[in-house]
Amino acid sequence: DGGITQSPKYLFRKEGQNVTLSCEQNLNHDAMYWYRQDPGQGLRLIYYSQIVNDFQKGDIAEGYSVSREKKESFPLTVTSAQKNPTAFYLCASSIRHRDRDTGANVLTFGAGSRLTVL
Amino acid sequence: GDSVTQMEGPVTLSEEAFLTINCTYTATGYPSLFWYVQYPGEGLQLLLKATKADDKGSNKGFEATYRKETTSFHLEKGSVQVSDSAVYFCALISIRGGATNKLIFGTGTLLAVQP
Repeated sequence: DGGITQSPKYLFRKEGQNVTLSCEQNLNHDAMYWYRQDPGQGLRLIYYSQIVNDFQKGDIAEGYSVSREKKESFPLTVTSAQKNPTAFYLCASSIRHRDRDTGANVLTFGAGSRLTVL
Repeated sequence: GDSVTQMEGPVTLSEEAFLTINCTYTATGYPSLFWYVQYPGEGLQLLLKATKADDKGSNKGFEATYRKETTSFHLEKGSVQVSDSAVYFCALISIRGGATNKLIFGTGTLLAVQP
């Protein structure tokens, strides 16, 4: 079955360490996204990528980095510069938006990764 | 900028009660509107969507109508079940030329259904 796989599901990190969250999709989607979820704040966009080897900052990119070397993969690195990294991280993908009527606006989400900084 | 406002939770109902979760939006352009659902410990799943004014999205007994005049997209269900307990997110994409699929989410509403 096609879908998005995020790993690890749970991750603990010491302060000052970088950590990378994996996101892999086999949906043949061009676009991929990383969101952060905090209680009472909904989802906030960290980074997104419309195509391989290209990505843009979202609303809260500081302290994060990404790469998009393959269509299927969009890993997120939470760096030591991120001041409050403890959160639930969600990866998503979609077909690339070209026309408002194509239904390209529907995102498919992974099950999430919960990062806790000790 | 574009934004989504939804009612704060938690919403606690008894099984078979009627559900309404309010959602209003502010957007330029011609937004498409969505409801996503998040079950405990999982990612988000699309519940329903509407792409133009007066469209009604429906799925699994849930409905929402795109009301341009009131800029609203309220979620309703006639008879909730315990299995509907989840967090519900209202979201929009405002379509402009060359725009990306950047969903803007509300803060989420926790629904707890008691047997």
